[in-house]
Amino acid sequence: ELKVEQNPLFLSMQEGKNYTIYCNYSTTSDRLYWYRQDPGKSLESLFVLLSNGAVKQEGRLMASLDTKARLSTLHITAAVHDLSATYFCAVVGAGGTSYGKLTFGQGTILTVHP
Amino acid sequence: DVKVTQSSRYLVKRTGEKVFLECVQDMDHENMFWYRQDPGLGLRLIYFSYDVKMKEKGDIPEGYSVSREKKERFSLILESASTNQTSMYLCASSPPFTGGHNEQFFGPGTRLTVL
Repeated sequence: ELKVEQNPLFLSMQEGKNYTIYCNYSTTSDRLYWYRQDPGKSLESLFVLLSNGAVKQEGRLMASLDTKARLSTLHITAAVHDLSATYFCAVVGAGGTSYGKLTFGQGTILTVHP
Repeated sequence: DVKVTQSSRYLVKRTGEKVFLECVQDMDHENMFWYRQDPGLGLRLIYFSYDVKMKEKGDIPEGYSVSREKKERFSLILESASTNQTSMYLCASSPPFTGGHNEQFFGPGTRLTVL
C-alpha cells in the first residue's frame, strides 16, 4: 500500500527566511505533484515532477524529486506572507490500472510572519 | 479556462438522510474522482471513475456510492448520512492516464455537516 508522509506538518516562518518541506513515499513511483490550498479554497497545482532528478521552479518555490530515495522536497526561498497556505504532495500509484490515482500526504500548513 | 464545479459549497444534513453531491467538469476528461479532506489526514480517495458507468473503489468507499451516467457528471451519494461523514468533499477530473502529465483539476469543494 502506497503511503505518503510530509514533514513538517506545521511550519511557522519569518519573512525572508528559507525552509524546506519534505515528502517521503513508500513504494515505487516516478510521478509526483505539489499542490497549494488557500484557506476555504480548492487545490491549485504547483508542480508536476515526472522523472528522477527533476527540478521545477516558480518564483520563490522550487521542487525536486529523487525517485531512488523516494523523496521530494519543496524549498521556499525568502518567504513572503503571500506564501501562507497548506501545501500537499501527492504521488501516483504504480501499476497499469492506477488510472492516475493520487495518494496525498497529510499537508503542511505554512504560516509566514512579518 | 478549465472548470470543475460542485453543486453546493456548504450543506447541512441530518443523520440518516440520503445526500447527493454533484460534480460537473467541462474539460471532456475521462477520469473523475471524489475525495474527502480531513485535518491532519490530507485527501483520501473515496471513489473514482475512468469512463461513463464505470467506477472503482478508492481507499475509503464504505458508506458511499457513486454514479456516472454522463461523461461530464460524477455524483457522490451518501445513502444514510452519519456524523462521521462530516467533512470537506472535493471532486477532481483528469485526462486519461497515458504516462504523461495528467494533472488532476479540483473543484471548489463542498463542506458537509451531518447533525
